[in-house]
Amino acid sequence: DTGVSQNPRHKITKRGQNVTFRCDPISEHNRLYWYRQTLGQGPEFLTYFQNEAQLEKSRLLSDRFSAERPKGSFSTLEIQRTEQGDSAMYLCASSSTGGNSPLHFGNGTRLTVT
Amino acid sequence: AQSVTQLDSHVSVSEGTPVLLRCNYSSSYSPSLFWYVQHPNKGLQLLLKYTSAATLVKGINGFEAEFKKSETSFHLTKPSAHMSDAAEYFCVVSPYNFNKFYFGSGTKLNVKP
Repeated sequence: DTGVSQNPRHKITKRGQNVTFRCDPISEHNRLYWYRQTLGQGPEFLTYFQNEAQLEKSRLLSDRFSAERPKGSFSTLEIQRTEQGDSAMYLCASSSTGGNSPLHFGNGTRLTVT
Repeated sequence: AQSVTQLDSHVSVSEGTPVLLRCNYSSSYSPSLFWYVQHPNKGLQLLLKYTSAATLVKGINGFEAEFKKSETSFHLTKPSAHMSDAAEYFCVVSPYNFNKFYFGSGTKLNVKP
């Protein structure tokens, strides 16, 4: 179990640029989640996949955000035309199938939009 | 409806004294409940989980939590705080088999020497 891996750890970008983050889940986990966390707040749900299917998207996820999990393994989260309000920690988590399976989190990608 | 309330945003204890972090939840379905810890600039680490077996759950680093259905509570305790316990703690509820997780707003634990 190598854990959930997220890259990059930090990203600084100028407003209006596009950014893409990658998440590699625990290999036997078929569920993958993206969360956003701003300073002093708990994680907010963005979207989740079961295998390659994106089963739910939060209303927080504007049309500038898109997530993919093309082969049911790693996932990418892209933000287009970044805004300063997008500055946050983006957390990825994975879990196995089963009603009681907990989330296993990566260390996150911290995005700063200047 | 599902929700989690962490009753204290900040808790401060002295090293060696007990820790109590409070969590109340509401869930329309039989819930699973979790506590996570987050150190600065890190992801969240699972401390313990309740999944309808024993109501007293033991976790890592000496933490434990008791599920009390009548009080809809899942408070986190530790008999003796250590400096390394200083972090933010999140209570999480997941309605059984719903594949969704609802986070509390977090409690920052400060441990004084």
